Amino acid sequence: DIQMTQSPSFLSASVGDRVTITCRASQSISSFLNWYQQKPGKAPKLLIYGATSLQSGVPSRFSGSGSGTDFTLTISSLQPEDFATYYCQQIYTTPRTFGQGTKVEIK
Amino acid sequence: QVQLQESGPGLVKPSQTLSLTCTVSGGSFSSGDYYWSWIRQPPGKGLEWIGFIYYNGITDYNPSLKSRVAISRDTSKNQFSLKVTSVTAADTAVYYCARDYGAGGYYPYMDVWGKGTTVTVSS
Repeated sequence: DIQMTQSPSFLSASVGDRVTITCRASQSISSFLNWYQQKPGKAPKLLIYGATSLQSGVPSRFSGSGSGTDFTLTISSLQPEDFATYYCQQIYTTPRTFGQGTKVEIK
Repeated sequence: QVQLQESGPGLVKPSQTLSLTCTVSGGSFSSGDYYWSWIRQPPGKGLEWIGFIYYNGITDYNPSLKSRVAISRDTSKNQFSLKVTSVTAADTAVYYCARDYGAGGYYPYMDVWGKGTTVTVSS
């Protein structure tokens, strides 16, 4: 299985901050990487697919970058509704493994 | 707009079989563009991909669960189902079904999710 490792696991930030979350794959996955946002008690929501493509309806303050083994999710200006847990997922091969998650909390 | 809804027992006894169904509404299960997936999330933990089924019945499972898991479909009812046998407390989780745009495009992604259903394994 391809292992996905996110950092940090926990992040404390203020509204308006620029936030960066990193995801590293245990082997090259080209651009086969998705990002999801999950709020408590809710299902995950797709933010970014193919490492860099913004899902329809997702605010443009979210962006993704990277290829190969190292990827980044950036929130350019953190908004109150962005406090959540973020997961990366590789879709290069099955099983479609997720990172352990990064919880973004209010500072 | 496609919606997914999980249903099934919320409590299962150890060693028994967990059975859940996902109903697809607002769209066709038989579209060749999608895989239909199950994902679970133990309390306070991360997401685990269980497997998926294609409309023609082809399946793919997580090797960590493969010996205990089966996903099936009923195209006439626009439903797909999950069975997990010989459950233990470790199978306690929120179970989600999701639509996986894995067959219709270059980059797969899960764009529609059910709300999730909590299954507790306990005697």
